Amino acid sequence: DQQVKQNSPSLSVQEGRISILNCDYTNSMFDYFLWYKKYPAEGPTFLISISSIKDKNEDGRFTVFLNKSAKHLSLHIVPSQPGDSAVYFCAASATASGTYKYIFGTGTRLKVLA
Amino acid sequence: EPEVTQTPSHQVTQMGQEVILRCVPISNHLYFYWYRQILGQKVEFLVSFYNNEISEKSEIFDDRFSVERPDGSNFTLKIRSTKLEDSAMYFCASSDFEGNTEAFFGQGTRLTVV
Repeated sequence: DQQVKQNSPSLSVQEGRISILNCDYTNSMFDYFLWYKKYPAEGPTFLISISSIKDKNEDGRFTVFLNKSAKHLSLHIVPSQPGDSAVYFCAASATASGTYKYIFGTGTRLKVLA
Repeated sequence: EPEVTQTPSHQVTQMGQEVILRCVPISNHLYFYWYRQILGQKVEFLVSFYNNEISEKSEIFDDRFSVERPDGSNFTLKIRSTKLEDSAMYFCASSDFEGNTEAFFGQGTRLTVV
């Protein structure tokens, strides 16, 4: 049962352009969403999060958009840099239900081309 | 910057043996987690721990698994009677608050059961 889906396993973007990573979810109880970046042989690194009471959150080059009606979130990286090349995971939790575990998507491998 | 540290980075064990994976969470954090990632698959929740007890666990966390916070700084995951399918990267994480807050992950321990 894939409650969190990242349908694009990989994405290539030119340096300086926008990277858009997408994530869909099925569980309407999810109310907190996060994006993590992961390099090989390292743990996930927190990037940005958004609560379900918002539809946008911005932090520097990273912006997360949440469309609750479509059960869809996206991560925008502008401008993309070669150091952004990594696997990006979206994660969700249903905190109002008293659970703080994250359900992760399968990840999207981003490659930023110099 | 405070970080979650895990030891060892790589553990090889014979099938049927017991292993202990160790973690030092960020010092003022109150919530602790173990996740794992089997090669090529998504990151999966194992267990959460708060106030010296398990608050939530997944179906993966069967009676061979146990967690402990023995001395107020370390957080350990013990796996008894290891199986080949326990081979994975195990990530420890911690967060400072319940609800809408991000968890910080360690760099992982690669467990190989042979």
